[in-house]
Amino acid sequence: EDQVTQSPEALRLQEGESSSLNCSYTVSGLRGLFWYRQDPGKGPEFLFTLYSAGEEKEKERLKATLTKKESFLHITAPKPEDSATYLCAVQGEETGANNLFFGTGTRLTVIP
Amino acid sequence: DAGVIQSPRHEVTEMGQEVTLRCKPISGHDYLFWYRQTMMRGLELLIYFNNNVPIDDSGMPEDRFSAKMPNASFSTLKIQPSEPRDSAVYFCASSPLAGVGNEQFFGPGTRLTVL
Repeated sequence: EDQVTQSPEALRLQEGESSSLNCSYTVSGLRGLFWYRQDPGKGPEFLFTLYSAGEEKEKERLKATLTKKESFLHITAPKPEDSATYLCAVQGEETGANNLFFGTGTRLTVIP
Repeated sequence: DAGVIQSPRHEVTEMGQEVTLRCKPISGHDYLFWYRQTMMRGLELLIYFNNNVPIDDSGMPEDRFSAKMPNASFSTLKIQPSEPRDSAVYFCASSPLAGVGNEQFFGPGTRLTVL
């Protein structure tokens, strides 16, 4: 059975203090790993898709990396507007072409 | 485009009542997904449609839940009868394409409280 574990559950950073969020996964035949951002009272918003170990993607202050067992979302010099819950999801060979299996997220707070 | 539209945004009902949640996907998107989000279990896929046809409903918790998509621009998720454990935020999402890597666009969600 597919499994996604995100850590930490919550993270408080000072503005400018870089850090990383972790997503550990177990899946039969990884087809893709996804990162979404969710603001309070809103639906998740797509950030990245990673397909294979060693792949990296960047968007502004965010960089996502992937190994065979985990993915990291690195946040460089965060700003208060980066405060949100970050969700990781996997798509495996057994879960179907369109099914995403989500973790419970990391709630990030960036303090000015 | 207005994005995925869901209504109502909040619903409070009593146990045993019927609840209907509504979704309008982004025009031109062939795939529509219904998710449920709780603190304990996170975001769970309930059912998804392709071209108005239900493809996978294995995530639907039990027979009290049903979903329909009568046309390309409208879908409903119905709970009858509702129970307190159904309290959650329900999201609708749509996608233009199938397969890996294709972004799903989420609506703002419906917060359901069953008393």
